[in-house]
Amino acid sequence: AQTVTQSQPEMSVQEAETVTLSCTYDTSENNYYLFWYKQPPSRQMILVIRQEAYKQQNATENRFSVNFQKAAKSFSLKISDSQLGDTAMYFCAFMKLSGDYNDMRFGAGTRLTVKP
Amino acid sequence: DTEVTQTPKHLVMGMTNKKSLKCEQHMGHRAMYWYKQKAKKPPELMFVYSYEKLSINESVPSRFSPECPNSSLLNLHLHALQPEDSALYLCASSQDLLPGLPHGYTFGSGTRLTVV
Repeated sequence: AQTVTQSQPEMSVQEAETVTLSCTYDTSENNYYLFWYKQPPSRQMILVIRQEAYKQQNATENRFSVNFQKAAKSFSLKISDSQLGDTAMYFCAFMKLSGDYNDMRFGAGTRLTVKP
Repeated sequence: DTEVTQTPKHLVMGMTNKKSLKCEQHMGHRAMYWYKQKAKKPPELMFVYSYEKLSINESVPSRFSPECPNSSLLNLHLHALQPEDSALYLCASSQDLLPGLPHGYTFGSGTRLTVV
């Protein structure tokens, strides 16, 4: 079974600064996908960024980027120029492709607070 | 339409009540999911429907009964729930499996369920 570990229950950062959230995972699969989801107080899970395991290049989406280390099974999220709207719970997720559906499992989450 | 719509947003029910949660999407996604999320915890997978057939039941008690009447609609029927079943219930959907093109899930905003 796949496990996803987020070792930082809570983090805070000053507005406009950079913060990195860590995530490690354990799997015997070779082909899989990794995601970061954001869950603000509105409760909706919002996809922040995704990474295909077969791609060596780290994914980037505007202020969000990842550091994907496949051998170390590490998938950290870097948020640059933090904004107040980034305050949310962040979940790292692992997905393996299984038949007709996608099997996604989440880490415990990191609560990020951006301070003005 | 790029949304997953869940109704109701809030539900309070007694332990002897029967109620249903509804989830709807019109993106042509063929896999739909129910997750349960307790406060400050990650979502936990309950059920997966693929092509309107139940693919996964993660050992969920029989007081939760899923139903997929068609490819756009997913219901969760609730009966004789316990107070510990109080949680946020999230619905999600995903595209058919396309190699190299998983986009993660599209989540609804959830139903906040309180069992009294």
